[in-house]
Amino acid sequence: AQKVTQAQTEISVVEKEDVTLDCVYETRDTTYYLFWYKQPPSGELVFLIRRNSFDEQNEISGRYSWNFQKSTSSFNFTITASQVVDSAVYFCALSEAFMEYGNKLVFGAGTILRVKS
Amino acid sequence: KAGVTQTPRYLIKTRGQQVTLSCSPISGHRSVSWYQQTPGQGLQFLFEYFSETQRNKGNFPGRFSGRQFSNSRSEMNVSTLELGDSALYLCASSPDREGDTEAFFGQGTRLTVV
Repeated sequence: AQKVTQAQTEISVVEKEDVTLDCVYETRDTTYYLFWYKQPPSGELVFLIRRNSFDEQNEISGRYSWNFQKSTSSFNFTITASQVVDSAVYFCALSEAFMEYGNKLVFGAGTILRVKS
Repeated sequence: KAGVTQTPRYLIKTRGQQVTLSCSPISGHRSVSWYQQTPGQGLQFLFEYFSETQRNKGNFPGRFSGRQFSNSRSEMNVSTLELGDSALYLCASSPDREGDTEAFFGQGTRLTVV
């Protein structure tokens, strides 16, 4: 069975601090996708990144960066120089990679990030 | 390109009633998935439709059902509503092409059962 664990329930930081959100996953599949989504107060889930299980390269997009380590089954997300607008709930998710199994995301419990000015 | 549209945004129903929620996916997307979000259980997968067929199903009772139309629009129905069905119901659409599996979510329908 697939499982995603986000151990940090809530994190509070002051603006301009760096913050890392942890994600640990479990799966017996050798091919899978990992995702991060942001959920602002309005409710919709905003897609941030998808990572294929074969691609362990770290990725940077502006102030966001992701560290994927297959050896520890982790896919951590770092926000550099956090801003108040980063305040939201962040979800890590996992899915199988083959179309014939359909699209089903298994989500972690989410981490509430509060950035104070 | 218009995003995923869910209607209605808010709904209040009484126990025992039934409800139908609607989701219009992004144009060209053929896969539509539904998720339930509650404070206690988090985000849970309900089911997924592709080409008018249910392709995947989560662990929810038969009171929860759905369908997809030929234009990829989808509806989900919950019959005999219970208080515990109060939740944010999110719909996601996906292009469902090999290597292109991002799910794009709508703003959700917030259902309150009283």
